Amino acid sequence: DVKVTQSSRYLVKRTGEKVFLECVQDMDHENMFWYRQDPGLGLRLIYFSYDVKMKEKGDIPEGYSVSREKKERFSLILESASTNQTSMYLCASRLVKTGTGDGYTFGSGTRLTVV
Amino acid sequence: TQLLEQSPQFLSIQEGENLTVYCNSSSVFSSLQWYRQEPGEGPVLLVTVVTGGEVKKLKRLTFQFGDARKDSSLHITAAQPGDTGLYLCAGKINAGGTSYGKLTFGQGTILTVHP
Repeated sequence: DVKVTQSSRYLVKRTGEKVFLECVQDMDHENMFWYRQDPGLGLRLIYFSYDVKMKEKGDIPEGYSVSREKKERFSLILESASTNQTSMYLCASRLVKTGTGDGYTFGSGTRLTVV
Repeated sequence: TQLLEQSPQFLSIQEGENLTVYCNSSSVFSSLQWYRQEPGEGPVLLVTVVTGGEVKKLKRLTFQFGDARKDSSLHITAAQPGDTGLYLCAGKINAGGTSYGKLTFGQGTILTVHP
């Protein structure tokens, strides 16, 4: 089975800190995604990467950046953490195949609290 | 703008009852997926539907994709406490060759099945 591993389950950071969230997948998937999940708002796409060194903004990229130097690793960076970035962060990966039926494999999530 | 509307947002039922969750949109989706998420974990893919009118069954779960590929439903027969969780629908809009597998998620339905 594909495994997507997020480096931390829980994080507490101070306002203004630079925060790194790491995500690693072990099945050579091309596409990787970062979402945040908030009650009543569902999952919102922050950034995605369709291949190594490629990145695209999602729906809510402000305050975030990403890095994908290697195919298996996709990092989310909060340049200067703010309290409104307190959330559950979910990483996902997807294998690119012809056709449209390929689902995401998600990590277990990182619950970030900014104080 | 929420492209996918799920209803109901909350569902609390007794063991043995049947239930249906709806996922509606004004957009046409090339595929639609259903995920289930347990507390503290990432979503797990249940099914992908691709063809308008398609019906898929997964034990007591029945998934249907609307003829126009704008809506979907999840029906659970004889619900059990183990079905408790957050159910998410997610659709891939057919936006040509640049979507890179991006999914748009509904807000989710929190299902609680009481013994």
